[in-house]
Amino acid sequence: NAGVTQTPKFRILKIGQSMTLQCTQDMNHNYMYWYRQDPGMGLKLIYYSVGAGITDKGEVPNGYNVSRSTTEDFPLRLELAAPSQTSVYFCASSFRDRVLEQYFGPGTRLTVT
Amino acid sequence: QQQVKQSPQSLIVQKGGISIINCAYENTAFDYFPWYQQFPGKGPALLIAIRPDVSEKKEGRFTISFNKSAKQFSLHIMDSQPGDSATYFCAVIREAGSYQLTFGKGTKLSVIP
Repeated sequence: NAGVTQTPKFRILKIGQSMTLQCTQDMNHNYMYWYRQDPGMGLKLIYYSVGAGITDKGEVPNGYNVSRSTTEDFPLRLELAAPSQTSVYFCASSFRDRVLEQYFGPGTRLTVT
Repeated sequence: QQQVKQSPQSLIVQKGGISIINCAYENTAFDYFPWYQQFPGKGPALLIAIRPDVSEKKEGRFTISFNKSAKQFSLHIMDSQPGDSATYFCAVIREAGSYQLTFGKGTKLSVIP
């Protein structure tokens, strides 16, 4: 059981470039989430999904897109990267009736210069 | 609008001492008040959670105290150990129709021998 895996671990982007952060979970969780964590701040929810084909915006969705074609995968797309998107990105997953018990991936540290 | 205010920002405690972290919230419509623990380079993990109809919950060395009238809740770590050194986040969540955890900004705890 690998849990929640994220790739890449680190990435440096130039302003205006695009990239996809990958997230995969093997726990058969219904729900998946993307958060960003800025220095000295708590996590903020970007997008979440309650099942394949269903996604919804969180607190800070601007500049990001997601898709959920399978139960296991929940990629996060950054279009036209901006310095304000420099952050650590965490993917998480949980069962439908255990939203508090979210299992987090190791994170992706993204720098936009 | 910051719905959860957490203090202190950082905390240094001697081994064997008591660590106390406080959170105050601004909305009465929350159903769960969890605490998460995050080690460097890792995602957060659920530590302990409480519902608002309970004033205290204890799990091992970790206790949540909840004061509904003051809209405050706190985490107490008894007999603090160096292995407890981590960043702690309080959070709030509404149970019905909401998948959004709102996090405090975090408290970096250092337990020194």
